Amino acid sequence: ETGVTQTPRHLVMGMTNKKSLKCEQHLGHNAMYWYKQSAKKPLELMFVYNFKEQTENNSVPSRFSPECPNSSHLFLHLHTLQPEDSALYLCASSQERRGAGELFFGEGSRLTVL
Amino acid sequence: GESVGLHLPTLSVQEGDNSIINCAYSNSASDYFIWYKQESGKGPQFIIDIRSNMDKRQGQRVTVLLNKTVKHLSLQIAATQPGDSAVYFCADHSGNTPLVFGKGTRLSVIA
Repeated sequence: ETGVTQTPRHLVMGMTNKKSLKCEQHLGHNAMYWYKQSAKKPLELMFVYNFKEQTENNSVPSRFSPECPNSSHLFLHLHTLQPEDSALYLCASSQERRGAGELFFGEGSRLTVL
Repeated sequence: GESVGLHLPTLSVQEGDNSIINCAYSNSASDYFIWYKQESGKGPQFIIDIRSNMDKRQGQRVTVLLNKTVKHLSLQIAATQPGDSAVYFCADHSGNTPLVFGKGTRLSVIA
């Protein structure tokens, strides 16, 4: 079983739809992250959770709503998205939020907004 | 704000040759640096990291060099193989800030 699992791997949605992305980590980590990866842009940090508490929101529009029910699960709820939100959404986890350390990434959810 | 950037967006290397991927960072307080490899359709995978109290670290076929004087980081891949074809990202960390990623360099290995 992979360390960080994301579902669905691919999602196509209209601008009025509501959908959710799911992330689950099996590494016993305490911090989880959402990143957005667009073509020709650096990885953009969206949200950070540490011990289930949101510690960072990187000026993300409210049409993206994260949820972290426990240290192993992270969701990204999507509502009224725009075509420019089409991107690869990557979930990652680390042992803890503070301090240097490796991030473990999932395979990503490829989102297309029509 | 502070950022991490890459010198070249693409790099083509003959199979068997050594590859060098460069990265410049701007935060002089950065104390931890990491390289990731991302293959097509996959998430980034850890390659190697280095702390600011070191200037060189070696892994299996990879070496990371850190020059804090000029704020430069490089990843060297020895005897590059077709499986090394991917996008390579550097990232840096300072204090309690999350990792800041560069844009990435696409490495293409010519057989």
